[in-house]
Amino acid sequence: AQTVTQSQPEMSVQEAETVTLSCTYDTSESDYYLFWYKQPPSRQMILVIRQEAYKQQNATENRFSVNFQKAAKSFSLKISDSQLGDAAMYFCAYRRYNNNDMRFGAGTRLTVKP
Amino acid sequence: NAGVTQTPKFRVLKTGQSMTLLCAQDMNHEYMYWYRQDPGMGLRLIHYSVGEGTTAKGEVPDGYNVSRLKKQNFLLGLESAAPSQTSVYFCASTLQDRGGYGYTFGSGTRLTVV
Repeated sequence: AQTVTQSQPEMSVQEAETVTLSCTYDTSESDYYLFWYKQPPSRQMILVIRQEAYKQQNATENRFSVNFQKAAKSFSLKISDSQLGDAAMYFCAYRRYNNNDMRFGAGTRLTVKP
Repeated sequence: NAGVTQTPKFRVLKTGQSMTLLCAQDMNHEYMYWYRQDPGMGLRLIHYSVGEGTTAKGEVPDGYNVSRLKKQNFLLGLESAAPSQTSVYFCASTLQDRGGYGYTFGSGTRLTVV
C-alpha cells in the first residue's frame, strides 16, 4: 500500500517570507501523480498544485512551486512571498495512475505571522 | 457554479441511530468518493464509485454503505452510528482516473455521534 508522510505537523512563516513543507511517499509504481491541497478554516479542500511523476520539470503555480525528487520519493511544497491568506492545513496526496484511491498525508498546519 | 454540494453540513446523532449523507455534483463527473477526516490522520477513503450504479470499498468501509443510483448523486449511509464514526466527512468527484485530474471536494459534513 502507498503511504504519504508529512513529518511537520505545524510550521510557521513570517509574512512575505518563504516556507517549505515536506512530504515523502512510499510506492513501487513508476506512474503516479502527486498533489498539494490547501484546507483553510472554511474546511474547503482546494487543489494548490499537482505533479506528474513522468515529468522531470517541477510544477509551478504563481507563488507555489514543488521540489519533486522521484528517486528519493520526496515532494516538497515551497510557498514564496507568504501571505496571511496562505494560513491553512496543507495536505500532500498521492494517486497511482489509473487508480481510484488518492492517499493523503496527515497534514501540516501553516501559520503566517504578520 | 455549485461544484460538489454536501448536505447536511452538521449533524449530531445518538449511538445506534441511522442517517444518510448526500453528495451532489453538477460537473458530469464519472468518479465520486467519500472520505473521512480525523485529526492527525489526514483523509481516508471510505467508498468510491466509478460510475452510475457502481460502488467499491476504500480503506475504511466498515459501518458504512453507499449508493449511486444517479450519476450526479452519491449517498453515504450509516445504519447504526457509533462514537468512532464522529468525524468530518468529505465527498469528492473527478472526471476520470487518467490524466492526473485532481478532485473537486465538497465543503464537508461534521458528524458527532454521542
